[in-house]
Amino acid sequence: DQQVKQNSPSLSVQEGRISILNCDYTNSMFDYFLWYKKYPAEGPTFLISISSIKDKNEDGRFTVFLNKSAKHLSLHIVPSQPGDSAVYFCAAFSNRDDKIIFGKGTRLHILP
Amino acid sequence: DTEVTQTPKHLVMGMTNKKSLKCEQHMGHRAMYWYKQKAKKPPELMFVYSYEKLSINESVPSRFSPECPNSSLLNLHLHALQPEDSALYLCASSRSGGGGVETQYFGPGTRLLVL
Repeated sequence: DQQVKQNSPSLSVQEGRISILNCDYTNSMFDYFLWYKKYPAEGPTFLISISSIKDKNEDGRFTVFLNKSAKHLSLHIVPSQPGDSAVYFCAAFSNRDDKIIFGKGTRLHILP
Repeated sequence: DTEVTQTPKHLVMGMTNKKSLKCEQHMGHRAMYWYKQKAKKPPELMFVYSYEKLSINESVPSRFSPECPNSSLLNLHLHALQPEDSALYLCASSRSGGGGVETQYFGPGTRLLVL
C-alpha cells in the first residue's frame, strides 16, 4: 500500500517556464514532507521540506505547497533551468516512526 | 510486482557480530543501491551495482561489504560494526543505473542498532 504517491512518472517543461511536481499521501499523521532531487548514479539530494503545520515554504526558485485537507503537496520550480532535469522524489516523515517514506519519483525534463 | 523488499526489518547486533542485510526486487531492474540514513537526515549513498557489477563505492568502510549474487538480489554483509553505524539502511533499484535520469524505487529499509 503506497503511502506516498507520485502519479506522473515523467514531466517535460520548456526552459524558463514553471515546473509543477505533484505528490499525494494517505497518512494524515506525517510531520514533514520533503522533496529530493536525484541525478543518475548519485544518491538523492535534499531539496526543500515543509512542516505539516504550514501550507507554503519557499527557497529561491523552489516553493512547496501543502494542502492537508486534500492530502496533496506540490513542488513549483520557476523559472525552470536545464540543470533541473532530474528525478524528483516526494517523501514523508513521521516523528513517531522515525522513517522517511519515498514516492516512486517523477522524471523532469527541461526542454531547451 | 513493483516492490523492493528488505529483510530483516529490524536488527540488533553487537560489535563483534557478523550479520547480513538482504534486498530483493523482481522488476527486472539492473541497478541496485544501498543507502544509509540517520535520523531526520536524507539518505546517503553507499554502493551502486549496475548489471551485477559494483560501479560506485562512496568511500564506505570495509566493515560494510556488498554482494550482488544475481540481478534480483543485493546483500550487505556487516562485520565489526560500531555504534555510530546504527541507522536505517535503505535498498533501492532502478531500470539500468546507466546514463539518463531514472526513477528509483526504495525498499522499506532495515533499522539497524549496533550495541
